[in-house]
Amino acid sequence: KQEVTQIPAALSVPEGENLVLNCSFTDSAIYNLQWFRQDPGKGLTSLLLIQSSQREQTSGRLNASLDKSSGRSTLYIAASQPGDSATYLCAVRSTNAGKSTFGDGTTLTVKP
Amino acid sequence: DAMVIQNPRYQVTQFGKPVTLSCSQTLNHNVMYWYQQKSSQAPKLLFHYYDKDFNNEADTPDNFQSRRPNTSFCFLDIRSPGLGDAAMYLCATSGHRGAGELFFGEGSRLTVL
Repeated sequence: KQEVTQIPAALSVPEGENLVLNCSFTDSAIYNLQWFRQDPGKGLTSLLLIQSSQREQTSGRLNASLDKSSGRSTLYIAASQPGDSATYLCAVRSTNAGKSTFGDGTTLTVKP
Repeated sequence: DAMVIQNPRYQVTQFGKPVTLSCSQTLNHNVMYWYQQKSSQAPKLLFHYYDKDFNNEADTPDNFQSRRPNTSFCFLDIRSPGLGDAAMYLCATSGHRGAGELFFGEGSRLTVL
């Protein structure tokens, strides 16, 4: 059974700081890994999708990496802004069941 | 434009009074999912449809049912809501036989009085 862990559970940083969010998973047989953002009371917004054959994906100030063999992914946010404050979740799509397992998320607060 | 649309966004019901939540998609994806998310927790998969094939998670209570009358629509029926069913219900879709990117709606927040 796939297990996904996100560390830290919460993070508070001053505006402008670069930061890294971590996601680890136990079963490396995956189709892809997807990072989401969730604002309070809202649905999940997709940020980046990394296929199992890829090592990283970039979108604007966001960069996600994937090391399938070690079961790890990181989400790098450059020059953080107060608008980046949200909960960030990673989801791992396993090949054996074709469904995604989510981590509990990291709640990010960026202080002005 | 929104690609996965959930209605209603907010639903208040009484203990034991049936509720139906709806999800529609414009992506023509063959897989649709229903997740339950409680406060500060990871979304929990309830069931999913691969085309018309229904796949129930082993730990999904019988109180939860689903219908998918066509590719575009999927419904979540909660037959007798209990206080523990108060949560955000998220609908998602995926193409590429379920191995593609997940797209979520804005969610339906259910309150049980």
